[in-house]
Amino acid sequence: QLRLQESGPGLVKPSETLSLTCTVSGGSVISSSYYWGWVRQSPGRGLEWIGNVYYSGSTYFSPSLKSRVTISLDTSKNRFSLNLTSVTAADTAVYYCARVGYYGTQSFDIWGQGTMVTVSS
Amino acid sequence: DIQMTQSPSSLSASVGDRVTITCQASQDISNYLNWYQQKPGKAPKLLIYDASNLETGVPSRFSGSGSGTDFTFTISSLQPEDIATYFCQQYPNLPYTFGQGTKLEI
Repeated sequence: QLRLQESGPGLVKPSETLSLTCTVSGGSVISSSYYWGWVRQSPGRGLEWIGNVYYSGSTYFSPSLKSRVTISLDTSKNRFSLNLTSVTAADTAVYYCARVGYYGTQSFDIWGQGTMVTVSS
Repeated sequence: DIQMTQSPSSLSASVGDRVTITCQASQDISNYLNWYQQKPGKAPKLLIYDASNLETGVPSRFSGSGSGTDFTFTISSLQPEDIATYFCQQYPNLPYTFGQGTKLEI
């Protein structure tokens, strides 16, 4: 059974970089059938897609965040990571990692439990 | 970006009721629409993909329909465990966008 688990600091200072990792167990990130994605959720913005990474290393980002986001894949450790630079209070949210279909339906079919990240000094 | 508008934003219903939620896309998305259920403190769970296909293991009281810009999500007979917030999501137009959610209460 595939499982995703987010990890990283729960508190980040304004202007610094938010870094999260999603560890995948019960399956491999090396799959041509899926993207690996990040979604965040806050009361003000609702559910917001951040970006996806494909096993080839190709990445896709939300235009609103593209200038500040990187997503990378570590196949040796079966995980993928999110970096969001120059954070502000508006980046405070629950961050989820998820598996996203590549062929056909692009649904978020498996999610991590989510991790709360607060941006505050 | 494609805007997804759900209605209503909240809904109060009784056990056994038929419940319907709508989702409207700001442009034609064919049948490229998914529905999710989210319970408090939990991650969203995929229920319906491609507008009308039930995800494996999801009870048959859940259904979806629609194409183009107008979509409907239905619970045929509301159960207590269905209390949650429901979201629609469009693809493949990037950025993926979600509806604002419909909070279902008993």
